[in-house]
Amino acid sequence: DTGVSQDPRHKITKRGQNVTFRCDPISEHNRLYWYRQTLGQGPEFLTYFQNEAQLEKSRLLSDRFSAERPKGSFSTLEIQRTEQGDSAMYLCASSLGQGASGYTFGSGTRLTVV
Amino acid sequence: DAKTTQPPSMDCAEGRAANLPCNHSTISGNEYVYWYRQIHSQGPQYIIHGLKNNETNEMASLIITEDRKSSTLILPHATLRDTAVYYCTLRSYNTDKLIFGTGTRLQVFP
Repeated sequence: DTGVSQDPRHKITKRGQNVTFRCDPISEHNRLYWYRQTLGQGPEFLTYFQNEAQLEKSRLLSDRFSAERPKGSFSTLEIQRTEQGDSAMYLCASSLGQGASGYTFGSGTRLTVV
Repeated sequence: DAKTTQPPSMDCAEGRAANLPCNHSTISGNEYVYWYRQIHSQGPQYIIHGLKNNETNEMASLIITEDRKSSTLILPHATLRDTAVYYCTLRSYNTDKLIFGTGTRLQVFP
């Protein structure tokens, strides 16, 4: 297992279209996190899962955003009716849980809404 | 959520120690201090974390003040590959999310 994988690496979409990103965590990690990062800023927390349960969602996650983690393995993040303000890097991370030695982040999916 | 404050940028000569400060004056008792770094176009990379005591690993040392209101990340012998944005973050034991600030852009020069 080489780490956290995210697909696609880059996505360009037209405003109003729906997009879906996938994250494959490190296999033995039970926690999975989604963050968003805009240019010049640090990552902002969106949501996280323990196994298949979604434990917390940020207020940043509007109704157009939905995340799932069926069977507690990979996760998807869907954005419906994309807006130009959704353009950002979407980062996924996984960990063994609280107190573990840090998250492992993927390389992210860069979304550009035109 | 407690926040962190870092200088926006720092320079360091190759081979010298890089000392990166972080202020987290509103940290609560159940929050850990974590440091990550991010090289352009990659996801953040974990460096080190601590609660109260100083910590050291193969990458860096973390010094946390006794009142826990600030910390310093030390890269003992900086190399050109250490050029990156360094984030001091807080991780709540209860909510398990990382709160990132805007980070310090460290430039290591030859």
